Amino acid sequence: DIQMTQFPSSLSASVGDRVTITCRASQNINSYLNWYQQKPGKAPKLLIYAASSLESGVPSRFSGSGSGTDFSLTISSLQPEDFATYYYCQQSYNTPRTFGQGTKLEIK
Amino acid sequence: QVQMVQSEAEVKKPGASVKVSCKASGYTFTTYGISWVRQAPGQGLEWMGWISPYYGDTNYAQNLQGRVTMTTDTSTSTAYMELRSLRSDDTAVYYCVREAELVRGFVTLSYWGQGTLVSVSS
Repeated sequence: DIQMTQFPSSLSASVGDRVTITCRASQNINSYLNWYQQKPGKAPKLLIYAASSLESGVPSRFSGSGSGTDFSLTISSLQPEDFATYYYCQQSYNTPRTFGQGTKLEIK
Repeated sequence: QVQMVQSEAEVKKPGASVKVSCKASGYTFTTYGISWVRQAPGQGLEWMGWISPYYGDTNYAQNLQGRVTMTTDTSTSTAYMELRSLRSDDTAVYYCVREAELVRGFVTLSYWGQGTLVSVSS
């Protein structure tokens, strides 16, 4: 199975900050990488697919980059609604479609 | 619009089985695969497996092989996930998710059900 490692596991930042979350795959997955956002008590929501494509309706402050084994999710200017939220990467290169362990974004 | 509506919460004893349903609407049911993902309390997301409503093909996570069965009923556009021999560590919210292929070959988990809490306790 492909292991997905996310870091940091938690992150404290302020409104307006720029933050980056990193995801590393245990083998080359080309660009088969998705990012999801999950708010408390809610189902996850797709943010980024194919490593860098923005899902329709997702604010442009979210962006993704990377290929091969190293990927990142950047939020360019944090908004209040981005906090108290988990972010997960997930590989779609093969099955099982493994997730990273998640990154919790908290307000400083 | 696409909707995935899941069955209500369940409480089960260890050793029992549970069958969660997921009724799809707003699209042609046989066109897209459905994955099941679970999330234990305070934990991350775990992909459990996938089913093709068109072909009936399935692909299960290795750690659930032999205990999980995913099926679909195309006449009612409903997907089912049955988990047997339940243990306390199966306590989780179970999600059905309709896949999408926004870019050819790149599969996403695009439409999530609301989740079904399955609690396993003696």
